[in-house]
Parts: sequence; structure tokens; C-alpha cells
Amino acid sequence: DAKTTQPTSMDCAEGRAANLPCNHSTISGNEYVYWYRQIHSQGPQYIIHGLKNNETNEMASLIITEDRKSSTLILPHATLRDTAVYYCIVREPRDTGNQFYFGTGTSLTVIP
Amino acid sequence: KAGVTQTPRYLIKTRGQQVTLSCSPISGHRSVSWYQQTPGQGLQFLFEYFSETQRNKGNFPGRFSGRQFSNSRSEMNVSTLELGDSALYLCASSFYGRGGPTDTQYFGPGTRLTVL
Repeated sequence: DAKTTQPTSMDCAEGRAANLPCNHSTISGNEYVYWYRQIHSQGPQYIIHGLKNNETNEMASLIITEDRKSSTLILPHATLRDTAVYYCIVREPRDTGNQFYFGTGTSLTVIP
Repeated sequence: KAGVTQTPRYLIKTRGQQVTLSCSPISGHRSVSWYQQTPGQGLQFLFEYFSETQRNKGNFPGRFSGRQFSNSRSEMNVSTLELGDSALYLCASSFYGRGGPTDTQYFGPGTRLTVL
């Protein structure tokens, strides 16, 4: 079952940073936080993941709090193409399964 | 590298029929997972295959089955289709290392199954 809590929806102005929060208060020490997004009726697209440290790639930044109970995905300059459902996922250790438990995600709308 | 491919992309069946969906993973990836996505239940894990063996299984009835071939390609089968099986079926592949970056799952575009 999903171990994360995300707001149902958010809006962001085009060109501004989009900050998507996620709570994962029961995360274990060896569980990673993954972010995917899904544009309507397409397959989920991998964005970024992290364990303890903040991470950045060409798509986004991931900020994980020191106690690891929450994280924030940052899209630095949101565009209309970033409108999608964003899923924050806590990934179980390999030995207990390779599946990802998707919650309901956050529907992000980028407004022109 | 080519991404995960799924065939067919769209499928219409009637109740009681069976259906087989196909998934070709990213070259070099050895694990294939299947998910079902419906408006009511969201994305739900069906099963995962690695080295032609089912490693994990979600909470779905036995009508849902799958297999993996020696080239890592995978198929899933749904027998005795029900109206509630209408969904987007997604396949994801990963390298299946010992955790960390190599275990990131990459999803295909999905197969949209409609049961009439």
C-alpha cells in the first residue's frame, strides 16, 4: 500500500518554480523516495529519486528533509508541458519486492 | 536505447474472452513488472518477472497471469474477461541490480483494454 501523502492538486504559473510536497512519515532507513509523473493516458515517466541527500538532474530537484519524513520535488521553471499527475513513491527494499506502490498523486496544472 | 514497447496499444474485447498483452523491455533490462491502472483504483501492481520466474505478485485473481521469455520479453494474459478489467495495462522494465539507480523502473506507453 502507498506510504505517501500528497496534495490532490496544485496550480503553478508558467515560468515559476513548482514545489510539490510529499509526506512519508513511516519511511524506513533503506527506502528510497522516487518521483514519477504521468501525462494523461501515457505511461509514467521517471523524474528523480533519492535516499538521504538532495538530488538534482536535468528535469528537477529533490529535497529530502533531514528526518526523511517528507520531501519536495522542485521543477525550477514550469512549462505547460509539465502539466501532469506527479507521484511520490517510497520504494521498498529489493528483498521485499520490486514493485512501486503508487498513491493518488498530485495533479499539477501549469497556468499560462 | 529504445524504450519499453507494448503491443497492441489498443484492444477491444467482449466479456468472457481472453487477451494476451506483450511487453518488450529496454535492451539489457532483465526485470519486467506489470501494472493495471483504472480511474477508481489508480495504478496497481500485478506481478514482476525476472529470469523467466515470477518474483512478486500483487493482489489480483488467478485470471491474471504472465510469463517471461529468455530474451526478457514478457506477456500477460487475462482469461474470462470481465467489464471491470477495462483498464490501461502498463509494463515497466528495470535492470534488477542490488538496489539504487539500477532498479529504476521505466514504463511503456501502455495497452488500453476495453471490455464490452
